[in-house]
Amino acid sequence: AQSVTQLGSHVSVSEGALVLLRCNYSSSVPPYLFWYVQYPNQGLQLLLKYTSAATLVKGINGFEAEFKKSETSFHLTKPSAHMSDAAEYFCAVRRADGNNRLAFGKGNQVVVIP
Amino acid sequence: DTGVSQDPRHKITKRGQNVTFRCDPISEHNRLYWYRQTLGQGPEFLTYFQNEAQLEKSRLLSDRFSAERPKGSFSTLEIQRTEQGDSAMYLCASGPLAAQETQYFGPGTRLLVL
Repeated sequence: AQSVTQLGSHVSVSEGALVLLRCNYSSSVPPYLFWYVQYPNQGLQLLLKYTSAATLVKGINGFEAEFKKSETSFHLTKPSAHMSDAAEYFCAVRRADGNNRLAFGKGNQVVVIP
Repeated sequence: DTGVSQDPRHKITKRGQNVTFRCDPISEHNRLYWYRQTLGQGPEFLTYFQNEAQLEKSRLLSDRFSAERPKGSFSTLEIQRTEQGDSAMYLCASGPLAAQETQYFGPGTRLLVL
């Protein structure tokens, strides 16, 4: 079964500083990987996804993530945090063999300090 | 593109009552998913439809839960004899019939069972 580990439920970052959210996955078959963002009282919005093409993936709002098979990781970064980045971020994995269910991590609540 | 919509957005019910939620997917999407999200956790997969066929159900979906997608368009999720442990956000997502599909999420229905 697929699974995702996100460490550190709450992440504080100063405005203008690097945002780094870690995601490690476990999958018995090649995975597709996703980062979603959730604002209060809203559904999940896709930030970016890896589907076996380029290992460095660029997404919306200046975020990017790098797929590293040897480390089973898909960490999310943004060079400079903005106040509007305060939200909850979820990493998710699904199998690339037709099983469509997403398995999510527990999420990281990002707080941006002015 | 109106996105995925869910109704109601909030529901408060008493233990033992039945509740029904509706999801309207993006119109051209063949696949529809239901997830449940409890406080402090990532979404957990419940069930998945391709057109009107329910192709997969999680073991989380007890016999008190039933989901339908009668005409391959909107879907309903019914919970019978609700319990306090059913309190959660119920998220619906839809996606196209494609190997590398992205799932697009609705705003969710927040259920509180008293």
